[in-house]
Amino acid sequence: SQQGEEDPQALSIQEGENATMNCSYKTSINNLQWYRQNSGRGLVHLILIRSNEREKHSGRLRVTLDTSKKSSSLLITASRAADTASYFCATDNGGGSNYKLTFGKGTLLTVNP
Amino acid sequence: DTGVSQDPRHKITKRGQNVTFRCDPISEHNRLYWYRQTLGQGPEFLTYFQNEAQLEKSRLLSDRFSAERPKGSFSTLEIQRTEQGDSAMYLCASSPSLGGADTGELFFGEGSRLTVL
Repeated sequence: SQQGEEDPQALSIQEGENATMNCSYKTSINNLQWYRQNSGRGLVHLILIRSNEREKHSGRLRVTLDTSKKSSSLLITASRAADTASYFCATDNGGGSNYKLTFGKGTLLTVNP
Repeated sequence: DTGVSQDPRHKITKRGQNVTFRCDPISEHNRLYWYRQTLGQGPEFLTYFQNEAQLEKSRLLSDRFSAERPKGSFSTLEIQRTEQGDSAMYLCASSPSLGGADTGELFFGEGSRLTVL
């Protein structure tokens, strides 16, 4: 079963605009991660936020985490056509061993030039 | 290239045939994972190895599926008597063990796409 649910399922924007994707999950976690997947390719790790963190930045990426609402958001600023991809949130199982990730269904982002 | 390598990238087979996928993880990573991804869905966990020991198997991994990591290096995923429902992308990932090197991040290969006719 998939714990994370991304919203929206699909998002289409113009180059230069910001893109915001949301993720909700069901159980307690140690950390939440965001991954990117180009069509037909493997997943690439973008950013990890720990349960005791509320916000994290990496380049044009900003991630927030609200553990009380069991939700996270990924903001991509100043989007580029090359950002077109599917974006997935992934959570661990909240136990002592965070080896297994549960992925959501993803948000398909299209950035139009 | 020192990333996770998967072979073959694409496999088309007829129903009932057996298929085997291979994964070569990043050399210093002792944890290895198999995930399955169907169209429009996120990856779903199949199984996990710590060195050569298979420590967890998902209920998705039916008796027709078997995974091995005989020497704690590369891994194979075999599907026997394939069914059309097995058509999917099979993703392998690796990560370092818990401890200083472990950031929780998984390093994925490019996947092996299976089509069962």
